[in-house]
Amino acid sequence: GAVVSQHPSWVICKSGTSVKIECRSLDFQATTMFWYRQFPKQSLMLMATSNEGSKATYEQGVEKDKFLINHASLTLSTLTVTSAHPEDSSFYICSAREQWKADTQYFGPGTRLTVL
Amino acid sequence: LAKTTQPISMDSYEGQEVNITCSHNNIATNDYITWYQQFPSQGPRFIIQGYKTKVTNEVASLFIPADRKSSTLSLPRVSLSDTAVYYCLVGDPLNTDKLIFGTGTRLQVFP
Repeated sequence: GAVVSQHPSWVICKSGTSVKIECRSLDFQATTMFWYRQFPKQSLMLMATSNEGSKATYEQGVEKDKFLINHASLTLSTLTVTSAHPEDSSFYICSAREQWKADTQYFGPGTRLTVL
Repeated sequence: LAKTTQPISMDSYEGQEVNITCSHNNIATNDYITWYQQFPSQGPRFIIQGYKTKVTNEVASLFIPADRKSSTLSLPRVSLSDTAVYYCLVGDPLNTDKLIFGTGTRLQVFP
């Protein structure tokens, strides 16, 4: 149980285009989902907290207009990287916390974004 | 949120027991300690979680002393496939929404 999926697993796009990444909790409902970014050889950096039915909370230094987050249902959160640039190339990982069981976060497999 | 400190890297050989210690001097009363494993280009995988004393599951043991200012993840008889980065995190599961990752420990297992 407690499986989190991400789609796509990898994406290559041209500079200036927008890319949407989906995060789904497959077998549980998640009121809260989190988005992380990880550069090579570095740790995960929290970007934002996504709450179902409300606006996301962004960490300091993360541009909310560039990284649009939508958490429209208890099983789906999306991250849209708008007007992507090469410096946005990274590994994006989501995690989800089960609705009535807040003690553990489960992570998705990650999405590799490459901006040319 | 309590800050954690771990060794940057560790080396071991197949079949040995590996103990990774994490320091969390400012851990709060309601904080739990959670360990994750991450392979390259994959999301972190939950290993074990505990509050005090000792917790054991099918893959690892977690030792937490009485003062809870540190914890030790114990991996029995490691294999090459245990080569990964291991992260120690602390937080209150009911009141802390987010997990802040530290540097993690890069474990390299040699044949």
